[in-house]
Amino acid sequence: SQQGEEDPQALSIQEGENATMNCSYKTSINNLQWYRQNSGRGLVHLILIRSNEREKHSGRLRVTLDTSKKSSSLLITASRAADTASYFCATGLAGGGADGLTFGKGTHLIIQP
Amino acid sequence: ETGVTQSPTHLIKTRGQQVTLRCSSQSGHNTVSWYQQALGQGPQFIFQYYREEENGRGNFPPRFSGLQFPNYSSELNVNALELDDSALYLCASSLMGGRYHNEQFFGPGTRLTVL
Repeated sequence: SQQGEEDPQALSIQEGENATMNCSYKTSINNLQWYRQNSGRGLVHLILIRSNEREKHSGRLRVTLDTSKKSSSLLITASRAADTASYFCATGLAGGGADGLTFGKGTHLIIQP
Repeated sequence: ETGVTQSPTHLIKTRGQQVTLRCSSQSGHNTVSWYQQALGQGPQFIFQYYREEENGRGNFPPRFSGLQFPNYSSELNVNALELDDSALYLCASSLMGGRYHNEQFFGPGTRLTVL
């Protein structure tokens, strides 16, 4: 079963606009990560935010985490055509153990030139 | 620094057959995880290997098995293939206990089609 749920499932915006994707999860986590996937290929790690962090930035990416609401958001500013991809949130569970991540179904982002 | 590589890139098998997929971890990483991604879905965790032993497992039957070798490369074996096993299989390496704990680096995947 998939723990995370991204919202929206699909998003189409104009180049230069900002894109916001949301993720909700169900259980206590150690950290939450965002990944990008182009056309059914391998995933690329974007950013990791730990459960004791509330906000993190990396270049044009901004991630927030609200553990009380079990939700996270990914903001991509000044979008480019190359940002067209599927974006997944993935959680690492609290309590340690296996490092397996639990992914959501993803948000498919299309940047219109 | 070499990235994660997987072979083959594509594979077609028939129901009931067995398949072996291979993964070479990123240099310096000691942990490998395998994921199955069905079309239109997110990846699902199959299992993880650390120090050549299975360290954790997702909700997959025993006909999914694996190996990790001393050089941290890995294999995923699937016996008695079923049509629903058709998917993209992703390998990810990471460094257990290090600075990048839980950040995983993915290979390009192997697309398996079961007919």
